[in-house]
Amino acid sequence: GESVGLHLPTLSVQEGDNSIINCAYSNSASDYFIWYKQESGKGPQFIIDIRSNMDKRQGQRVTVLLNKTVKHLSLQIAATQPGDSAVYFCAENINQAGTALIFGKGTTLSVSS
Amino acid sequence: GAGVSQSPRYKVAKRGQDVALRCDPISGHVSLFWYQQALGQGPEFLTYFQNEAQLDKSGLPSDRFFAERPEGSVSTLKIQRTQQEDSAVYLCASSLRGHVSGANVLTFGAGSRLTVL
Repeated sequence: GESVGLHLPTLSVQEGDNSIINCAYSNSASDYFIWYKQESGKGPQFIIDIRSNMDKRQGQRVTVLLNKTVKHLSLQIAATQPGDSAVYFCAENINQAGTALIFGKGTTLSVSS
Repeated sequence: GAGVSQSPRYKVAKRGQDVALRCDPISGHVSLFWYQQALGQGPEFLTYFQNEAQLDKSGLPSDRFFAERPEGSVSTLKIQRTQQEDSAVYLCASSLRGHVSGANVLTFGAGSRLTVL
């Protein structure tokens, strides 16, 4: 089975709200995690990443939180905008040359005005 | 080029036909990955190249799937005797160095959507 999964397949929010997208992983050896955004008809686009030696990392309007104790990852989007509507995937990786990212199923974020 | 380019963007094949999907990675990128994305699912790893060497093909679902990158740049994913279950988006990604890390993220192309009738 998949080693990365998501708690909710869909999330609907109002413009301006904060969004939280969750992800659970099962591989204890994973030490690098990435959030990708995928819009319809496009490939996944990098949003933010975090290493396992950190528990929080902030970007522009986005924050990723990592809880290694419960193997949980979340993506927080502040002041969500209609342009944030997309499918969001978390992905994990083991810091080893040549290893591939493993993706979860994704959460569809819908932002209404 | 500025990004990862894939062609064709859309391909319709009759069951049993062979198809070839092309990926032009970002110039100078060492690593190249192929992923398969079924409708409503996350991308699933197929195979990985470092330059021209195919270092991991553990994700290829059957021996009908074959990938190559003969000169360490452009890659082709070939699917022989296509089946309906092969219908998916095939994504190519590249990265500058040999492994994924904070300074070496994967950049994805828009994908090739294959529909097998």
